[in-house]
Amino acid sequence: AQSVTQPDIHITVSEGASLELRCNYSYGATPYLFWYVQSPGQGLQLLLKYFSGDTLVQGIKGFEAEFKRSQSSFNLRKPSVHWSDAAEYFCAVGLEYGNKLVFGAGTILRVKS
Amino acid sequence: GAGVSQSPSNKVTEKGKDVELRCDPISGHTALYWYRQSLGQGLEFLIYFQGNSAPDKSGLPSDRFSAERTGGSVSTLTIQRTQQEDSAVYLCASSLEADQPQHFGDGTRLSIL
Repeated sequence: AQSVTQPDIHITVSEGASLELRCNYSYGATPYLFWYVQSPGQGLQLLLKYFSGDTLVQGIKGFEAEFKRSQSSFNLRKPSVHWSDAAEYFCAVGLEYGNKLVFGAGTILRVKS
Repeated sequence: GAGVSQSPSNKVTEKGKDVELRCDPISGHTALYWYRQSLGQGLEFLIYFQGNSAPDKSGLPSDRFSAERTGGSVSTLTIQRTQQEDSAVYLCASSLEADQPQHFGDGTRLSIL
């Protein structure tokens, strides 16, 4: 069965430091890949997506992610974290042309000043 | 508004009662999805509507759950004879087409006493 693994439940970084959130997926074909962010009491906001083409994708708020087929990974990165980035981040795989998203368990990001 | 709208934002009800949750998708979006977010299970797909096609109900956890989408726009998720394990945040999302990124509402937080 398709699955998404986010191995880090919590991550704490200092403001201004770089960030990498890990995501691994299990899926037979090349999936559609997404990163969403959720602030408390809010819905999910799309940060970026990968459908095909260039494996390094740029998103909103200065985030980027790289698709590595050999590692079945789609890690999210940001060179310099801001306090407003504190939230929960979800990696997701879209099956069958992007519908029926399968989500990872999420990574809670805490930013310390 | 421009985004996905869900109502109510919070719902508290007694075990055994029926509840209806409403979702207004983004205008012009043909695809509509329901997900459930709970502490124990994370984010789970429930049901998917695409245009006039028969909905994909493969994620509904029991026959107490049903959903409809009228006129290709507004959707209602109904839970009959609610149980305490139904307590969760129910998220609705819509996309322009099935293979396009999904945009989420802020969810309905359902609490079963």
